[in-house]
Amino acid sequence: DAGITQSPRHKVTETGTPVTLRCHQTENHRYMYWYRQDPGHGLRLIHYSYGVKDTDKGEVSDGYSVSRSKTEDFLLTLESATSSQTSVYFCAIRGDRVSAEAFFGQGTRLTVV
Amino acid sequence: AQTVTQSQPEMSVQEAETVTLSCTYDTSESDYYLFWYKQPPSRQMILVIRQEAYKQQNATENRFSVNFQKAAKSFSLKISDSQLGDAAMYFCAYRKAAGNKLTFGGGTRVLVKP
Repeated sequence: DAGITQSPRHKVTETGTPVTLRCHQTENHRYMYWYRQDPGHGLRLIHYSYGVKDTDKGEVSDGYSVSRSKTEDFLLTLESATSSQTSVYFCAIRGDRVSAEAFFGQGTRLTVV
Repeated sequence: AQTVTQSQPEMSVQEAETVTLSCTYDTSESDYYLFWYKQPPSRQMILVIRQEAYKQQNATENRFSVNFQKAAKSFSLKISDSQLGDAAMYFCAYRKAAGNKLTFGGGTRVLVKP
């Protein structure tokens, strides 16, 4: 199994509060991703990183920010959580090879009440 | 932007029978990768099979095989001799060869009847 850990695994928070999700890898992979999964939408890319301090937006980035201060950690922050951000969040990692596949964490279920 | 479409929200199959899941995608690229991921109730995303667009031969992995039609931009997954453990959500995904982003379809739920 790829060494990728998400924390927390479950979280309930109130509308308007900040929330940070953490993704930690032990594979030294260059690429890291945050996706959200909602029924009928599959997984949609929020943000991704292609190196330390190098990040870019995905298709559903509004309301989210990310940081990557070291290779192994990629943080996703909801500055002010809204009910529409209730979802399951997945982190993924990928190596440098063009053919490299993505490996996923076990997901974080976030509920905003 | 690339899009991936899975037109079957749910498929049901009898144990030991065969089921085929459909996936179409839209791209102007000539070099790319296509993937099928399985997501069982545990929520873990598991890579089932991968296809490189430059390869004409369809990929196979044990009971899983694909039918890759590049001109038609179609990438279907066939599960043969279905087992109870195959029950899961299946996602088709696309990534251009020189790209970083993996784009997913909406998923197909597979139910396996004993």
